[in-house]
Amino acid sequence: DVKVTQSSRYLVKRTGEKVFLECVQDMDHENMFWYRQDPGLGLRLIYFSYDVKMKEKGDIPEGYSVSREKKERFSLILESASTNQTSMYLCASSLWGEPAGEQYFGPGTRLTVT
Amino acid sequence: EDKVVQSPLSLVVHEGDTVTLNCSYEVTNFRSLLWYKQEKKAPTFLFMLTSSGIEKKSGRLSSILDKKELSSILNITATQTGDSAIYLCAVETLNNDMRFGAGTRLTVKP
Repeated sequence: DVKVTQSSRYLVKRTGEKVFLECVQDMDHENMFWYRQDPGLGLRLIYFSYDVKMKEKGDIPEGYSVSREKKERFSLILESASTNQTSMYLCASSLWGEPAGEQYFGPGTRLTVT
Repeated sequence: EDKVVQSPLSLVVHEGDTVTLNCSYEVTNFRSLLWYKQEKKAPTFLFMLTSSGIEKKSGRLSSILDKKELSSILNITATQTGDSAIYLCAVETLNNDMRFGAGTRLTVKP
């Protein structure tokens, strides 16, 4: 079974704090993605990575950065958290060459910024 | 453990056919069920369902939730090749958890 794990299920941070969200997959997938999910807005892509040290901006990259130092790990970084970044964050992974193929999702991290 | 099961896992039809995709769930503290179409980098949001028995429609797509049966269906009428994609079902709980199904891969042949 493919497993995508996220470091925290629930996180509460203060405005201005630096926040790290970690995602690990165990299927040797090349592609990894970070999304946020907000009520009524569906999933929105923040960043994705198709190889180690490679990254591309998604639809809403502002206020976020990412790091992919190892193939299995993709980190999302909020340099200075703001209240409008309160959201559910979902990580996913998939095989190279299938951007339209199956993405396997992690359980999500519910981040609250106060 | 919460789970979301979609069926069938894959489906091949011809243009003009009508298809019905199924999603069943077992979750505690259900909040909403969401359908997505996945064909490019990010899944595209289709519907959010919270109330049982109320059909949501968007063009040739429609969906309905049955809370008694813990399931939802997504219908696509007069299918086109552009409907070929993976259709994802996800359930959100009151605990703010999300669970995704494995998806149904739909292929529409000309």
